Amino acid sequence: ETGVTQSPTHLIKTRGQQVTLRCSSQSGHNTVSWYQQALGQGPQFIFQYYREEENGRGNFPPRFSGLQFPNYSSELNVNALELDDSALYLCASSWQGNNSPLHFGNGTRLTVT
Amino acid sequence: QKEVEQNSGPLSVPEGAIASLNCTYSDRVSQSFFWYRQYSGKSPELIMSIYSNGDKEDGRFTAQLNKASQYVSLLIRDSQPSDSATYLCAVLLSGAGSYQLTFGKGTKLSVIP
Repeated sequence: ETGVTQSPTHLIKTRGQQVTLRCSSQSGHNTVSWYQQALGQGPQFIFQYYREEENGRGNFPPRFSGLQFPNYSSELNVNALELDDSALYLCASSWQGNNSPLHFGNGTRLTVT
Repeated sequence: QKEVEQNSGPLSVPEGAIASLNCTYSDRVSQSFFWYRQYSGKSPELIMSIYSNGDKEDGRFTAQLNKASQYVSLLIRDSQPSDSATYLCAVLLSGAGSYQLTFGKGTKLSVIP
């Protein structure tokens, strides 16, 4: 059974650019959640996708958007990057309706200059 | 705003001692609580989950939950230098249609050889 995998591992972008981060869910999981962890902070919930639709969103602006594909993998897109978007982006997969704990992928470190 | 509070530390303990990490939460109806360990530059790793009042032991780790006091703690017995990391407390947000975790900022633990 493979775990959650994220790509790329590291990314450097310039303010104003757009970025796409990718996540492959664990085998058998149909729900993907994304979190942002700024330096020195705990992870913050961005949104969750189930059956290819967003079914929960944290306090993030619309320039943070996502997709979930039929194979349950997911993308996080961020438009008009700001310096404060520099963070570790974490993805976790789960089975909807099962309150089992979340296991995170290795994350993508995004640096915006 | 539903919050999770942790002492940011750093908490320093000598090797072999007991490390005690504490967490309080504001959402009175929360039912699920988790402790994650995060090494510098890595993603959070789940180490304990607890759902009922009382103690739950797993090896050198003991999680304690007191819902009346809205308090959850993690004890690490026989602390080792490899336990040096940031420990994140997470609470499952109640009433949401999705599975959302609210994290504290984490407590940095240093185990001194």
